[in-house]
Amino acid sequence: AQTVTQSQPEMSVQEAETVTLSCTYDTSESDYYLFWYKQPPSRQMILVIRQEAYKQQNATENRFSVNFQKAAKSFSLKISDSQLGDAAMYFCAYRSEGSYNTDKLIFGTGTRLQVFP
Amino acid sequence: DAGVIQSPRHEVTEMGQEVTLRCKPISGHNSLFWYRQTMMRGLELLIYFNNNVPIDDSGMPEDRFSAKMPNASFSTLKIQPSEPRDSAVYFCASSKLRTGELFFGEGSRLTVL
Repeated sequence: AQTVTQSQPEMSVQEAETVTLSCTYDTSESDYYLFWYKQPPSRQMILVIRQEAYKQQNATENRFSVNFQKAAKSFSLKISDSQLGDAAMYFCAYRSEGSYNTDKLIFGTGTRLQVFP
Repeated sequence: DAGVIQSPRHEVTEMGQEVTLRCKPISGHNSLFWYRQTMMRGLELLIYFNNNVPIDDSGMPEDRFSAKMPNASFSTLKIQPSEPRDSAVYFCASSKLRTGELFFGEGSRLTVL
């Protein structure tokens, strides 16, 4: 079974600085998707960025980018120019591509990011 | 377009009572997921449906939990009887099958006293 591990329960960053959140996963599959979701205090889960395993290029969405290392099974999220609104729980998630029935996500335990002014 | 709508946002009940959580997925989405979030266990997938059919309910903790999806626009998660350890935030999410992106509702916070 696939597992997702986030080894940093909490991280903090100064406003305008850069922070990297770590995620590793375990799978025997070659095709899959990886995601970062953000959960602000409002509780709603919001998709930040996604990466298809077959793509070598790292995904980027504005200030958010990933470092996808397929061989190492590592998928870190880099937030540049951090803003106060980035403060939230961040969840790394895995989705198998192996079955047409499978859109379900397996989540890591999350990293709480604090942003200081 | 409205997002995933869940009700109630908050529910406080006493042990032994029946609890029903409701979810309206995004129109046009054909997959629906129920997740539970607790401090101890994080986000756990309870059950998911494709085209209103339950595909995988292996995450449902026990027989006290049941979920239905009578049509494409409505799903319920029922707990009967409820216990204090069921206290959690329950999320509903929907997606267009195989697009890979789940859209979450705002969650229902359940407290069982």
